[in-house]
Amino acid sequence: AQTVTQSQPEMSVQEAETVTLSCTYDTSENNYYLFWYKQPPSRQMILVIRQEAYKQQNATENRFSVNFQKAAKSFSLKISDSQLGDTAMYFCAFNNAGNMLTFGGGTRLMVKP
Amino acid sequence: DGGITQSPKYLFRKEGQNVTLSCEQNLNHDAMYWYRQDPGQGLRLIYYSQIVNDFQKGDIAEGYSVSREKKESFPLTVTSAQKNPTAFYLCASSGYWAEAFFGQGTRLTVV
Repeated sequence: AQTVTQSQPEMSVQEAETVTLSCTYDTSENNYYLFWYKQPPSRQMILVIRQEAYKQQNATENRFSVNFQKAAKSFSLKISDSQLGDTAMYFCAFNNAGNMLTFGGGTRLMVKP
Repeated sequence: DGGITQSPKYLFRKEGQNVTLSCEQNLNHDAMYWYRQDPGQGLRLIYYSQIVNDFQKGDIAEGYSVSREKKESFPLTVTSAQKNPTAFYLCASSGYWAEAFFGQGTRLTVV
């Protein structure tokens, strides 16, 4: 079975600074997808970024980028120029070839003015 | 527009009563999921279905039941056997090797 671990239950960052959220996973699969989701106080789940395991290039979406280390089974999320609207819960997720979605426990991020 | 719809947004249940949460998607996704989220916590998987007429228990299936008679629909019933059902419930669907799309959630409260 796949597992996803987010070791930082809570983090904080000053507005305009950069923060990195950690995620590790365990799988025996070679092909899979990884995702970061944001859940603001409204509780709507929003996809932030996705990474295909077969791609070596790290995914980037505006201020959000990932550091994907396949051998280490690590998938961290970097948020640059943090904004107050980035305050949310962030979930790392894994989808394997069997189409089974697995989530980490989440990291609560607080952006301070 | 394609998407996933949960209803109702708020639901109140009396002690000993069964209630059903609706989840419908028009994204043609094979997989659908139900998650429970308690305040300040992560997502816990209740049930998932990867194909019509088949579903699997997740980590916290006790006190819940589901059906998957149609590809578009995956209703969740919270039975009287679930002793602490007050929570936020999220439904999701996903395509093969793809990201999940989520509904807006249902907040269930026992009164």
